[in-house]
Amino acid sequence: GAVVSQHPSWVICKSGTSVKIECRSLDFQATTMFWYRQFPKQSLMLMATSNEGSKATYEQGVEKDKFLINHASLTLSTLTVTSAHPEDSSFYICSGYPNYGYTFGSGTRLTVV
Amino acid sequence: KQEVTQIPAALSVPEGENLVLNCSFTDSAIYNLQWFRQDPGKGLTSLLLIQSSQREQTSGRLNASLDKSSGRSTLYIAASQPGDSATYLCAVMLTGGSEKLVFGKGTKLTVNP
Repeated sequence: GAVVSQHPSWVICKSGTSVKIECRSLDFQATTMFWYRQFPKQSLMLMATSNEGSKATYEQGVEKDKFLINHASLTLSTLTVTSAHPEDSSFYICSGYPNYGYTFGSGTRLTVV
Repeated sequence: KQEVTQIPAALSVPEGENLVLNCSFTDSAIYNLQWFRQDPGKGLTSLLLIQSSQREQTSGRLNASLDKSSGRSTLYIAASQPGDSATYLCAVMLTGGSEKLVFGKGTKLTVNP
């Protein structure tokens, strides 16, 4: 089946620094990938849709200058959390849509101290 | 705005019991509905996907039904096992070609040996 590889699985960073999360589609080409965020005991919330070769589409309330998305190839999308703050600590997860069902990465636990 | 609700929020059962997880959504204009499993701190594993034109899907001990007109889906787990312990998430894909998923908060299932 389709596989999405996400790295790192966890990261701890200091306030004010930036963190990059990578999401790769291993066996399919992803013109579109999706980035979600999940706070404890909450639903996964869509943050943005990354589009290969063009700008990402951000959901309402998500700061595009803070959460930079790059989708430069059909197999790689990256999310960079810039100037991270403790309130950005969350579980970030990406997904692709190879056929008609979603495939998710394993997620990244970000802790900002 | 599409909202997805899952009941119950948590469920604890003895091993071997059959159980039903419920999912409801407010807007029946969906493209499909998908059930996922999430283990603590992990990504999502797709369990079953039901297209809007379908009534149910089965995979092993799992059976998912969809009643689009009433905005409901159920996930039936037969002969539950301790390894089934996880959080089960229901998500609907919106129509209109956006491929966006709207998630419920999940049902945390514990199957006791």
